[in-house]
Amino acid sequence: DQQVKQNSPSLSVQEGRISILNCDYTNSMFDYFLWYKKYPAEGPTFLISISSIKDKNEDGRFTVFLNKSAKHLSLHIVPSQPGDSAVYFCAASVGAGKSTFGDGTTLTVKP
Amino acid sequence: DTEVTQTPKHLVMGMTNKKSLKCEQHMGHRAMYWYKQKAKKPPELMFVYSYEKLSINESVPSRFSPECPNSSLLNLHLHALQPEDSALYLCASSQEPAFSYEQYFGPGTRLTVT
Repeated sequence: DQQVKQNSPSLSVQEGRISILNCDYTNSMFDYFLWYKKYPAEGPTFLISISSIKDKNEDGRFTVFLNKSAKHLSLHIVPSQPGDSAVYFCAASVGAGKSTFGDGTTLTVKP
Repeated sequence: DTEVTQTPKHLVMGMTNKKSLKCEQHMGHRAMYWYKQKAKKPPELMFVYSYEKLSINESVPSRFSPECPNSSLLNLHLHALQPEDSALYLCASSQEPAFSYEQYFGPGTRLTVT
């Protein structure tokens, strides 16, 4: 049973527009969520996180929204830039416990 | 310095070889991790070291042997690997041994077992 799902393997967006990456989870005990970005031949890089006591966290062009009732979180990138093209992983954990990663979404931002 | 370094970048080894992967961080982080990542899959946790002690072993086969010589270094000793062990091996560290803390990943070692 995959507890964290990223149902869209890929997403293509025009430069300057909004990118919305989605993540669904099944374990209602998850209370901390993180997004990582990964370029080819590099390790993942932390982007942004949110705890379950919040429903939104913003950092520059990146905003994460959490809908606990729907067990859904999304990452918004506005405006999208070609350098944002990468694989994006969401991860969830229960307290300090082990993170569970989604399978990732490949974002392509076209100039 | 917010970097995690890993050596070597690429490694090709036979099934009877013994080799080691190395990881280093100088951020004063107290937790270090080994992950394995296959193509188009998320990172898969292998080991966690917390304050230089092994705290999590995700039922990894004994042909993988981790070692944490000090708070900045993490090794992964490899022996008698199988071709299916070919993958990207990622090292990461975090300020505290809790997954709610962001992890800093190294670039990985691309391992091919022939």
